[in-house]
This record gives sequence, C-alpha cells and structure tokens, in this order.
Amino acid sequence: SHDLTQPPSVSVSPGQTASITCSGDKLASKYASWYQQRPGQSPMLVIYQDDQRPSGIPERFSGSNSGNRATLTISGTQAMDEADYYCQTWDSSVSVIFGGGTKLTVL
Amino acid sequence: QVQLQESGPGLLKPSETLSLTCTVSNGSISGYFWSWIRQPPGKGLEWIGSMYYSGLTNYRPSLKSRVTISADRSKNQFSLKLSSVSPPDTAVYYCVRGQGVNYGLDVWGQGTTVTVSS
Repeated sequence: SHDLTQPPSVSVSPGQTASITCSGDKLASKYASWYQQRPGQSPMLVIYQDDQRPSGIPERFSGSNSGNRATLTISGTQAMDEADYYCQTWDSSVSVIFGGGTKLTVL
Repeated sequence: QVQLQESGPGLLKPSETLSLTCTVSNGSISGYFWSWIRQPPGKGLEWIGSMYYSGLTNYRPSLKSRVTISADRSKNQFSLKLSSVSPPDTAVYYCVRGQGVNYGLDVWGQGTTVTVSS
C-alpha cells in the first residue's frame, strides 16, 4: 500500500485536459512533486514545490496542492504525454514517499 | 549537464550483497542530496534511502537493517549496499539527485537492472 493514493489509470482525448490526483495525509502542509515516466525510460521531474516547472517542461503541465490533495493538470494533452505519472512528497522524518502511479492513456 | 551512471552486478544469488555505484559527471556531489530508488518489474517507484550533503543518511524503514548508502567525494561517486538479497529485491535501481528537502528529484540515472535468482 502507499501513503499517497493515485488513480491507477486516467484516459484523455488528444487536445483535452487531463487531471491526475494524489491524495494523502502526508500532503497536508508538504510540497508535492510529479514525475513522468515513459515506457523504458527513467522518471523525469515535471512539477516540484506543488506548482513549479523545471526548465524545459512545457507550460501545458501545471500543478496544485490544497489540503490533502495534489493535482497534476496537463492542458492540450498530446500523444507524447502518454506515460506513467507519480506524485511524491516527504514525511516528517524526511523520507521520500511516492504514490502508486497513474497510467495516462491518450486515446 | 549533470549525468548519473549506475554500475554494478546485474545478477545476484539469494543471500548475497548488492553493491551499486553511481558516478556523477559534469557536476559536484557536494551541496546536493543523493538517493537510491528502485522499481520492481511492472510496479511503481520505491524509495530506498538518501544521503544528505551533511553526510546524514535516511533509509526506508523496511530496508533499514540491510541498507548502507555512502559517498566517495574524491571520486564524485555514491554507493548503495543492500545485504541478504532475495527475489523481491529484483528491480531496476536508479541513482537520483535532489536539490534538497521539499525540492524535486531533478536528475535521474538511466537505471540498472538487478535480478536476484538462484
């Protein structure tokens, strides 16, 4: 089991908006990060500190965190966005915690 | 651009010790924190442990008795040792850099596959 809960799968049509949620008590007053993992590749950071995009990440990726729920939003979803997405935060003992992952399918 | 490269044996027998090294290129090991994360086949990401720039280490509770993470600053490397491996330790192992607590894990190695089988 995971301390952070994500839906196993989300489907979206090309050009539409995809939202992936991550919930858990650990998110309360903690920053959330999000990672994209395409098949056969290493994960890549797409959002940190709830809503910050690293250099090179397209503007269509955005994030938010309120209460016990963080959300990754992908606007104008493209076929290349099809991947697994993982949320991550920290617990009080400074341990890294991951969600179980969400498979995003672009139909 | 900073690059991380994992190295170590890909096949181990049960009860052996897994030893992996991560070599950091085009950047310093100092001033960041370094983690090992693994991914069993077909499953999600699992944090193993981290070493902070102060030298402090922190490990996953369920693995704490078997894990050691250390750094060799003269070689710009950090390493993972996991003792008494068994088949559930089979996974892709990633070395990862972090800017600090509450920041993201911003640089990942390509990963190395470790299989535990008799």
